[in-house]
Amino acid sequence: DVKVTQSSRYLVKRTGEKVFLECVQDMDHENMFWYRQDPGLGLRLIYFSYDVKMKEKGDIPEGYSVSREKKERFSLILESASTNQTSMYLCASSPQPGLASHNEQFFGPGTRLTVL
Amino acid sequence: QKEVEQNSGPLSVPEGAIASLNCTYSDRGSQSFFWYRQYSGKSPELIMFIYSNGDKEDGRFTAQLNKASQYVSLLIRDSQPSDSATYLCASRSYNTDKLIFGTGTRLQVFP
Repeated sequence: DVKVTQSSRYLVKRTGEKVFLECVQDMDHENMFWYRQDPGLGLRLIYFSYDVKMKEKGDIPEGYSVSREKKERFSLILESASTNQTSMYLCASSPQPGLASHNEQFFGPGTRLTVL
Repeated sequence: QKEVEQNSGPLSVPEGAIASLNCTYSDRGSQSFFWYRQYSGKSPELIMFIYSNGDKEDGRFTAQLNKASQYVSLLIRDSQPSDSATYLCASRSYNTDKLIFGTGTRLQVFP
């Protein structure tokens, strides 16, 4: 079974703090993703990585950065947290498409971040 | 802009009935389609994917794809209260590894 883990289920931070969200997958997947999910807005892609040290902006990258130094680990960084970054953050991973795969994404349990 | 549209619901069905969840997509280059189930407060869980026109069955679930109409559906037979969740539809285009998600349909199965 694919396992995607995230460092925290719940996190409370103060405005202006630097926040690190960690994600680890154990299936040797090439692709990793960070989303945020807000009521009525669905899943919105923040950043995407298709290989170590490679990253691509998603739909809402402003206020976020990412790091992928190892294949299994993808970190999301909030340089200076703001109240509008209060949200559920979901990490996902997927294999490259191939004979047995169509890029299906597997999600971690999520981190509910509250910025006060 | 590439979009995946879903009715937000809620869709209410009695226990034992067939629940039909629908999704349309705008990008004709979409190749693969995915259905996820998300319980309240939990992360999305993959139910199944489909990439060929027609039906694909897995237990009580059947995914249907009609590329000409740009339409994907998920049928849940013998619906159970434990099926009550939000169902997300997603598509992938041929030239990307990213998925485009709909906002989900909330399903309620009542006893």
